[in-house]
Amino acid sequence: GQNIDQPTEMTATEGAIVQINCTYQTSGFNGLFWYQQHAGEAPTFLSYNVLDGLEEKGRFSSFLSRSKGYSYLLLKELQMKDSASYLCAVRVMTTDSWGKLQFGAGTQVVVTP
Amino acid sequence: SQTIHQWPATLVQPVGSPLSLECTVEGTSNPNLYWYRQAAGRGLQLLFYSVGIGQISSEVPQNLSASRPQDRQFILSSKKLLLSDSGFYLCAWSAEAGNTIYFGEGSWLTVV
Repeated sequence: GQNIDQPTEMTATEGAIVQINCTYQTSGFNGLFWYQQHAGEAPTFLSYNVLDGLEEKGRFSSFLSRSKGYSYLLLKELQMKDSASYLCAVRVMTTDSWGKLQFGAGTQVVVTP
Repeated sequence: SQTIHQWPATLVQPVGSPLSLECTVEGTSNPNLYWYRQAAGRGLQLLFYSVGIGQISSEVPQNLSASRPQDRQFILSSKKLLLSDSGFYLCAWSAEAGNTIYFGEGSWLTVV
């Protein structure tokens, strides 16, 4: 099975930086995703890592270490609109599909003025 | 470009009534399709996934079922709803050889 852990909540100030950690224990690992979910809405894709290292997309960066079963999402220059839940998801291979995503419970980020 | 739609957006159903949520994908062929559920304050739980017409894999035993009558259509059903079926249901798709899963708008189900 899969075990995905991330903090429940984090609070940061507008303009600051926040790092959301995610650890996982899984078999058949085939990539790690980060999604953003605003309250009452569907998740939207942020980033994808399949190899070790850092992927940067504007204010958001994601890092992966497969040997450590560890990833983080880095949010820079925080804006009020970044207040949302951030979901870590591990893609696992199945015998009949490219893969399916298993999600962590999400980290609620609260940005304060 | 690819789009995904699901409906209805919200519904309130009495315990014991049937359920049908429908999802369609446009702009792609032979997608992988998924149904997820998110209970209040909890993470996303994978319910079903499908790699082709008539091919359904169930992740969690429950009173829900899924069907894929057409390549880009995915339906979530129940014959008799339980209170515990309340939640936010999300349909999603990924390209057969792709990496990312994209979600529909979601359907809020309240069982009363």
